Amino acid sequence: ILNVEQSPQSLHVQEGDSTNFTCSFPSSNFYALHWYRWETAKSPEALFVMTLNGDEKKKGRISATLNTKEGYSYLYIKGSQPEDSATYLCASFSGTYKYIFGTGTRLKVLA
Amino acid sequence: KAGVTQTPRYLIKTRGQQVTLSCSPISGHRSVSWYQQTPGQGLQFLFEYFSETQRNKGNFPGRFSGRQFSNSRSEMNVSTLELGDSALYLCASSLQTSQETQYFGPGTRLLVL
Repeated sequence: ILNVEQSPQSLHVQEGDSTNFTCSFPSSNFYALHWYRWETAKSPEALFVMTLNGDEKKKGRISATLNTKEGYSYLYIKGSQPEDSATYLCASFSGTYKYIFGTGTRLKVLA
Repeated sequence: KAGVTQTPRYLIKTRGQQVTLSCSPISGHRSVSWYQQTPGQGLQFLFEYFSETQRNKGNFPGRFSGRQFSNSRSEMNVSTLELGDSALYLCASSLQTSQETQYFGPGTRLLVL
């Protein structure tokens, strides 16, 4: 694939539910994958920078995994809270395609 | 530490004009990247500067240019504005490379009439 694709586009979950999103990216000349959280009217906030195949990162209730051979990353949120509502962006950095962002997964957590 | 700052925050221009946007990175950060966000396209990479040199460039026409000063502050210029240039322009800074954690500024919202 030449683009960075994220799925689903949007998601509504109940408070306390766990959820996950997918980011698919070009696997050739891969350097790094970034995950960001972007709340309305704020700046994107970096969640994870992942570089190695098999990387797993965790920050509180949020974790991410990386598979560079097949070109995908998963972001998991355990026990979603209303404050987790945001758009979650991934961005792939490669030597070939430079820095490409996905269009994001918009998460709404209902109280 | 102060975060990334961008000025101005909002700007209205007319077609054919030019505009200069400014970005001050976090102290000690030497890499500054610029991005354009439009509703239909999402975030798109414009260019990255490091040590006053453009290190990477996205797929934008030559009307989009930038520069970086010795204090790492960066400016982005768009000449001959078109309606389609209306967007949110974000800059982000990182220590050495854009592959590291990037810290984003609040953005400049540009409206071209």
